[in-house]
Amino acid sequence: KQEVTQIPAALSVPEGENLVLNCSFTDSAIYNLQWFRQDPGKGLTSLLLIQSSQREQTSGRLNASLDKSSGRSTLYIAASQPGDSATYLCAVDGNDMRFGAGTRLTVKP
Amino acid sequence: NAGVTQTPKFQVLKTGQSMTLQCAQDMNHEYMSWYRQDPGMGLRLIHYSVGAGITDQGEVPNGYNVSRSTTEDFPLRLLSAAPSQTSVYFCASSRVYNSPLHFGNGTRLTVT
Repeated sequence: KQEVTQIPAALSVPEGENLVLNCSFTDSAIYNLQWFRQDPGKGLTSLLLIQSSQREQTSGRLNASLDKSSGRSTLYIAASQPGDSATYLCAVDGNDMRFGAGTRLTVKP
Repeated sequence: NAGVTQTPKFQVLKTGQSMTLQCAQDMNHEYMSWYRQDPGMGLRLIHYSVGAGITDQGEVPNGYNVSRSTTEDFPLRLLSAAPSQTSVYFCASSRVYNSPLHFGNGTRLTVT
């Protein structure tokens, strides 16, 4: 059974800092990995999708990497802003979609 | 485009009652799915559909039914509500399987 873990559960950083969010998974037989953002009381917004054959994807200040062999993905956020404050979730798509519990990010002005 | 629309936003049920959570998308997406989100547990897949007339079970399907008679709609039925079904329910769609998911804003369900 696929297990997805995100550490840390919460993170607080000052504005402007570069930061890395971590996602680990136990079964490397996946189709893709997605990173999402969730604001309080809202649904999830897809940030990046990495296919199993890819190593990384970039969108603006966001860069996500995937290492299937070690069961790890990272989401790198450059020059963080208060508007980046949200919960970030990763999801691994294998036999079915499995989500991590998320990392709650607070960026302080 | 409205995207993925879920109704109602909030619902309170008594144990044993039944109800249907509605989900509609206007993006002509083939893939649709339902999740529940519980504190500290992330989202868990309930049921999914890869196209009209095709549905399958996810990780936690017990107590829920789905149908997909059109591309646009994917309702989730609770047959006999239980307190363990108190949760926030999300519907999501994607153009095809293995493409980025688009989520609705959720339905917060409380079963007393």
